[in-house]
Amino acid sequence: DGGITQSPKYLFRKEGQNVTLSCEQNLNHDAMYWYRQDPGQGLRLIYYSQIVNDFQKGDIAEGYSVSREKKESFPLTVTSAQKNPTAFYLCASSIGVEDEQFFGPGTRLTVL
Amino acid sequence: GEDVEQSLFLSVREGDSSVINCTYTDSSSTYLYWYKQEPGAGLQLLTYIFSNMDMKQDQRLTVLLNKKDKHLSLRIADTQTGDSAIYFCAGNRDNYGQNFVFGPGTRLSVLP
Repeated sequence: DGGITQSPKYLFRKEGQNVTLSCEQNLNHDAMYWYRQDPGQGLRLIYYSQIVNDFQKGDIAEGYSVSREKKESFPLTVTSAQKNPTAFYLCASSIGVEDEQFFGPGTRLTVL
Repeated sequence: GEDVEQSLFLSVREGDSSVINCTYTDSSSTYLYWYKQEPGAGLQLLTYIFSNMDMKQDQRLTVLLNKKDKHLSLRIADTQTGDSAIYFCAGNRDNYGQNFVFGPGTRLSVLP
């Protein structure tokens, strides 16, 4: 079955620690994205990647980092520089950046 | 930049029709999309409409696009309790970079 997976579903970390969220897709999509969702708000774009070994900042990239070493994988690191990291994080992929996006199930990160 | 607005809440009775509205400022989107998000889950693409169409029907779903007023709506006929979710409208753009813009989402509550 083709799809996009995120792990873990729930993640707890202490303040000041970096944490990496996983996103994997086997849809053979070139483009991948990370969004953040806060209660009562829409999705805000953190980073996106159009192709392997390339990525661009979105609206709220500060305090986050990504890598795209493989087509299938686009991990997001939430660093200690992110002032308010507790949120629901959604990963998505698409054939190209103008195409419909397919979403993973999300990771809920809670920083204690 | 693009602004996409939606009313945040809608309540309907089971069996009634629901109409979820969306307005946008940028008319360069090629496609406009409706996504559904159930609690604690990722976004699921429900339907989409090409920008040169006025209407698209897909089983219980009807999408209406008024390009002059930059208004998009999603009508759900015979609304069921399983339709309770957050609905996002989104548009894509040709701009290099942030190609997808999401509205804040409308929380639909279906009352028995």
